[in-house]
Amino acid sequence: GESVGLHLPTLSVQEGDNSIINCAYSNSASDYFIWYKQESGKGPQFIIDIRSNMDKRQGQRVTVLLNKTVKHLSLQIAATQPGDSAVYFCAEGSSYKLIFGSGTRLLVRP
Amino acid sequence: ETGVTQTPRHLVMGMTNKKSLKCEQHLGHNAMYWYKQSAKKPLELMFVYNFKEQTENNSVPSRFSPECPNSSHLFLHLHTLQPEDSALYLCASSQDLGTGANTGELFFGEGSRLTVL
Repeated sequence: GESVGLHLPTLSVQEGDNSIINCAYSNSASDYFIWYKQESGKGPQFIIDIRSNMDKRQGQRVTVLLNKTVKHLSLQIAATQPGDSAVYFCAEGSSYKLIFGSGTRLLVRP
Repeated sequence: ETGVTQTPRHLVMGMTNKKSLKCEQHLGHNAMYWYKQSAKKPLELMFVYNFKEQTENNSVPSRFSPECPNSSHLFLHLHTLQPEDSALYLCASSQDLGTGANTGELFFGEGSRLTVL
């Protein structure tokens, strides 16, 4: 029979606009959080991480915000490009164990 | 190129077959991992090895048997699998197990797409 896959939320943005991808995490004791990007046919690729004692961290064109009060994590991508089209996963970790979220698909319209 | 190479990229096997997935990392890392990515669930941790020693078995059925002969190589031996085991199996490595200042960033391979008939 036909299998039912995960329903991934999808964010569609215009090329050049900013993207914001959100993630809710579950464990208030997590030490760190990581965003991964997975392009079709490839494994997840590290984008940026943030430790639990921080609330903001910036990278090249990306910013991660952490709100521990509501257990919320976001990834902001500035000036979104076609190459940013992918599935984005947040992951929470303590020690070496990473727990991944189900992901958000980002589609960039030309 | 992430420095983590998985073979084969695609594998089709019957339920009675025995096959193996191979992972090799060229990053000098000490920890290696197997993850399962299926259409129905988020990425699931299966096994963790640190300095060739298994440190985690996340309640994985015994039809999946990992082997880590050295810090650079990791195998996943498959035997009498079920159709629901069809998934993308991802290998990853990290410098260490993510304690202390290291957040445990994982470097993933491109995965082995397994189909069980």
